[in-house]
Amino acid sequence: SQKIEQNSEALNIQEGKTATLTCNYTNYSPAYLQWYRQDPGRGPVFLLLIRENEKEKRKERLKVTFDTTLKQSLFHITASQPADSATYLCALYSSASKIIFGSGTRLSIRP
Amino acid sequence: DAGVTQSPTHLIKTRGQQVTLRCSPKSGHDTVSWYQQALGQGPQFIFQYYEEEERQRGNFPDRFSGHQFPNYSSELNVNALLLGDSALYLCASSRGLAGGGETQYFGPGTRLLVL
Repeated sequence: SQKIEQNSEALNIQEGKTATLTCNYTNYSPAYLQWYRQDPGRGPVFLLLIRENEKEKRKERLKVTFDTTLKQSLFHITASQPADSATYLCALYSSASKIIFGSGTRLSIRP
Repeated sequence: DAGVTQSPTHLIKTRGQQVTLRCSPKSGHDTVSWYQQALGQGPQFIFQYYEEEERQRGNFPDRFSGHQFPNYSSELNVNALLLGDSALYLCASSRGLAGGGETQYFGPGTRLLVL
């Protein structure tokens, strides 16, 4: 069956370190993958999009990789700050499967 | 420029009742998608409206229906409410049909509690 999995446990990172979040999927052929940030009680906010033919995308302190062979995307936040604390969601887009979100990973950056 | 707005922010209903949630898309956007997000879970796609028609639908029963108006705003209707319908309902807008990689902008959501 089709499945998207993100780090099931919350991630606690020391300020200044690099946070790495994982999104694994099975039985999908996504055309695109997006990462969103969601704060408590708020709607998700778009961060980055990466297409199936792209290996890596960067935006300021954020980096996303997409490995269609491993069926995995990694999301990195470098020089992490307490303000980066939030839940991060990955979402797959494919014409067959429509739009599917993972359950998210809660990230906490401690000072 | 107003982003996506949703109303109401919170709602309490009882089982069996019907509810209507409303969404106004970001200026310049013509596509509206609705999602249900249970506590601790990611958003689940309900359906998407473009040109006043339902274009895609997720795995939700017919109790969930919607509408898009000529001004691109949208309504989500849920009939015969169940306890399990309690969730945060999110509206997202985009330019064109999402699924083509267009960025979706989400509203703050409507928190629905069914008692």
